[in-house]
Amino acid sequence: KQEVTQIPAALSVPEGENLVLNCSFTDSAIYNLQWFRQDPGKGLTSLLLIQSSQREQTSGRLNASLDKSSGRSTLYIAASQPGDSATYLCAVYGNQFYFGTGTSLTVIP
Amino acid sequence: GAVVSQHPSRVICKSGTSVKIECRSLDFQATTMFWYRQFPKQSLMLMATSNEGSKATYEQGVEKDKFLINHASLTLSTLTVTSAHPEDSSFYICSAIPWDYGTDTQYFGPGTRLTVL
Repeated sequence: KQEVTQIPAALSVPEGENLVLNCSFTDSAIYNLQWFRQDPGKGLTSLLLIQSSQREQTSGRLNASLDKSSGRSTLYIAASQPGDSATYLCAVYGNQFYFGTGTSLTVIP
Repeated sequence: GAVVSQHPSRVICKSGTSVKIECRSLDFQATTMFWYRQFPKQSLMLMATSNEGSKATYEQGVEKDKFLINHASLTLSTLTVTSAHPEDSSFYICSAIPWDYGTDTQYFGPGTRLTVL
């Protein structure tokens, strides 16, 4: 069964810092990987989708990479802002979504 | 576009009662909807796949008699937690797939926080 792990579980940084969130998965037979944002008590907002044939995707200050062979993905957030504070989930899609436990990010003004 | 709503957003109920949660696709038709459950500090776990006009498919370990799913139309799926107990307290999120999309394109609802006293 696919297992998705995210490190660190929590992260607190001052505003303006660049940061990296990590995601690893055990089964490389995936179709794609997505990074989501979850605000407290809210649903999910899709941030970036990387197909299995792709290496990275960029959207604004966000850049996600995928190394399927090693089972790793990173989400890079540039010039962090207090509004980036949320929980970030990665999810891999094979025959269904498998979610990581998330990284809780706090950006301190 | 592609908005999914859930109602209610929060519900508190007494142990032993039943609670119904609605999931609606507002601007598209969805032949397939999914129900997920998220316990505190844990990842979302797929509970069941809801198909319009047919029986839901439940994941291993999910009691189908306890979590009743009805997908009566192309825009509405309901999850009823029957005889709720405190251990059913969780955050329930649904997602929906536009009818002509693949299952890797899911639009998520805002979630329902269930607290069973």
